Amino acid sequence: DTAVSQTPKYLVTQMGNDKSIKCEQNLGHDTMYWYKQDSKKFLKIMFSYNNKELIINETVPNRFSPKSPDKAHLNLHINSLELGDSAVYFCASSQDYYTQYFGPGTRLTVL
Amino acid sequence: AQSVTQLGSHVSVSEGALVLLRCNYSSSVPPYLFWYVQYPNQGLQLLLKYTTGATLVKGINGFEAEFKKSETSFHLTKPSAHMSDAAEYFCAVSGETGANNLFFGTGTRLTVIP
Repeated sequence: DTAVSQTPKYLVTQMGNDKSIKCEQNLGHDTMYWYKQDSKKFLKIMFSYNNKELIINETVPNRFSPKSPDKAHLNLHINSLELGDSAVYFCASSQDYYTQYFGPGTRLTVL
Repeated sequence: AQSVTQLGSHVSVSEGALVLLRCNYSSSVPPYLFWYVQYPNQGLQLLLKYTTGATLVKGINGFEAEFKKSETSFHLTKPSAHMSDAAEYFCAVSGETGANNLFFGTGTRLTVIP
């Protein structure tokens, strides 16, 4: 059973488009996250979401918006995609402050 | 604020040799420290973590790490490298108490030479 799953695995799109990446966790965790991994493999937190409280990394453009229909899902919506948005996006979840479980990642390529 | 420095973006070892991946952290509060491994085209998998208690922690696949407060370090070691250990390794520190964001280092790519 997959603990944290993301769809799609690969996403190729044109500049200016709007796209979404879905994330689901079946671990019963209370907190979910989105991370961005750039071409140099650097991982940076974008958002964390806990019991309807959203904590936003201030460096994230407002074109990015997380949406959580329920505790098991945290989707990432991106408007007006730019070349610099090309990266691998990871979803994660945790129940405590200790261990985060990561999804397999979504490789976004903006042309 | 929390931050992590991983010395050496690339480390190469021979199969059977000692693996040592370095991690130093900065934290204004007692840190929680983690090592994650990322195999090619895969997500991150937790290797081990330190929260409180014993400073030498053992993880999966024969890896271990020691928390040294005086040196602000959390280096990852494995006595004998295996070909399957080739991957990217990330050290991470948790945020301030009450927050749960992870701050990652820039990663170290481990190559194992046959």
